[in-house]
Amino acid sequence: AQKVTQAQTEISVVEKEDVTLDCVYETRDTTYYLFWYKQPPSGELVFLIRRNSFDEQNEISGRYSWNFQKSTSSFNFTITASQVVDSAVYFCALTSGTGFQKLVFGTGTRLLVSP
Amino acid sequence: DAGVTQSPTHLIKTRGQHVTLRCSPISGHKSVSWYQQVLGQGPQFIFQYYEKEERGRGNFPDRFSARQFPNYSSELNVNALLLGDSALYLCASSPPVSGAPDTQYFGPGTRLTVL
Repeated sequence: AQKVTQAQTEISVVEKEDVTLDCVYETRDTTYYLFWYKQPPSGELVFLIRRNSFDEQNEISGRYSWNFQKSTSSFNFTITASQVVDSAVYFCALTSGTGFQKLVFGTGTRLLVSP
Repeated sequence: DAGVTQSPTHLIKTRGQHVTLRCSPISGHKSVSWYQQVLGQGPQFIFQYYEKEERGRGNFPDRFSARQFPNYSSELNVNALLLGDSALYLCASSPPVSGAPDTQYFGPGTRLTVL
């Protein structure tokens, strides 16, 4: 069975601080895909990044960066110089590389960035 | 291009009633998935449809059903509503299946309240 664990329920930071959101996953598949989504108060899940199990390169996109480590089954997300607009719930998700595309989500981490 | 659209935005029903939720995918996307998100939790997979056929079903009772139309839009039906069905229902669309799981793009959701 697949499982995603986001142990941090809520994180509070002050603007311009760096923050890392943790994601640990479990799967027996050798091919799988990992995702991060952002859910602002409006409710819509906004896609941030997709990573396959064969690509362990870290990725940077502006203030966002992702650290994928298969050895520890982790896919952590770092926001550099956080801003108030980053306040949202962030979800890590996993899907198998075969069969239909069922996303398995973690319970989410609520990020509060105060001015 | 328009994103995934869902209707209605909000809905209030009473126990035992039936509800139909609607979703229009991004233009060109042929796959639609439905998720249920209970307050404070991550989304849970309900169904996935591709080319009008069910490709996968999550662990939900038979009271939940769905279908996809020739224009790739979709409906989620829930019969005999229970208080526990109160949730945000999210629809996601993804491009034509290419062998590897494609990114799912989510709509704004329908918030269902069962009284």
